[in-house]
Amino acid sequence: NAGVTQTPKFQVLKTGQSMTLQCAQDMNHNSMYWYRQDPGMGLRLIYYSASEGTTDKGEVPNGYNVSRLNKREFSLRLESAAPSQTSVYFCASSEVGSNQPQHFGDGTRLSIL
Amino acid sequence: AQKITQTQPGMFVQEKEAVTLDCTYDTSDPSYGLFWYKQPSSGEMIFLIYQGSYDQQNATEGRYSLNFQKARKSANLVISASQLGDSAMYFCAMREGLDYKLSFGAGTTVTVRA
Repeated sequence: NAGVTQTPKFQVLKTGQSMTLQCAQDMNHNSMYWYRQDPGMGLRLIYYSASEGTTDKGEVPNGYNVSRLNKREFSLRLESAAPSQTSVYFCASSEVGSNQPQHFGDGTRLSIL
Repeated sequence: AQKITQTQPGMFVQEKEAVTLDCTYDTSDPSYGLFWYKQPSSGEMIFLIYQGSYDQQNATEGRYSLNFQKARKSANLVISASQLGDSAMYFCAMREGLDYKLSFGAGTTVTVRA
């Protein structure tokens, strides 16, 4: 019953460092998403992948890149981390259909000094 | 413009009582879906309930029900018989038309008192 698995759970980076957040789902969902959560702002979509082989920008894509490695895995990369990217990052997946809920991982708490 | 507005930053409720969390939305798309999620202090996001714009009846899932007033563009979550484990942040979210994105409100913190 893993659902959506994110690694790592916590990470501290220095400004300018790069890192990749990993996400894998075992629900055979077609669509996957990356959100960030900042205090008082709810969740905002960074990138999404409607299906394997496609990726699209969301609301706040600047400073990030993504890779849909296969149907199960969707990674988020910070090429040159900035303090403004300090946030909690959530990966989610869903089946196709507007009534399908998105299922979230437990989040990655990322601090950039 | 904010697509989802949750005006109650925090609420207290007595155990076993009902609590209503407000959510108003803004869209011109006739086809949309509304979702409620729970985020306990441990941080995970838990899906609670869904209401589609064309659904004729209000959605219910166990102790959760959605008071959907389409003309007023509101989708309030009602939690009946509150339990201590209901203490959490609650988010209202909307998906419009064929868009994949969920637009989230800022959330409401609920604290259940014994």
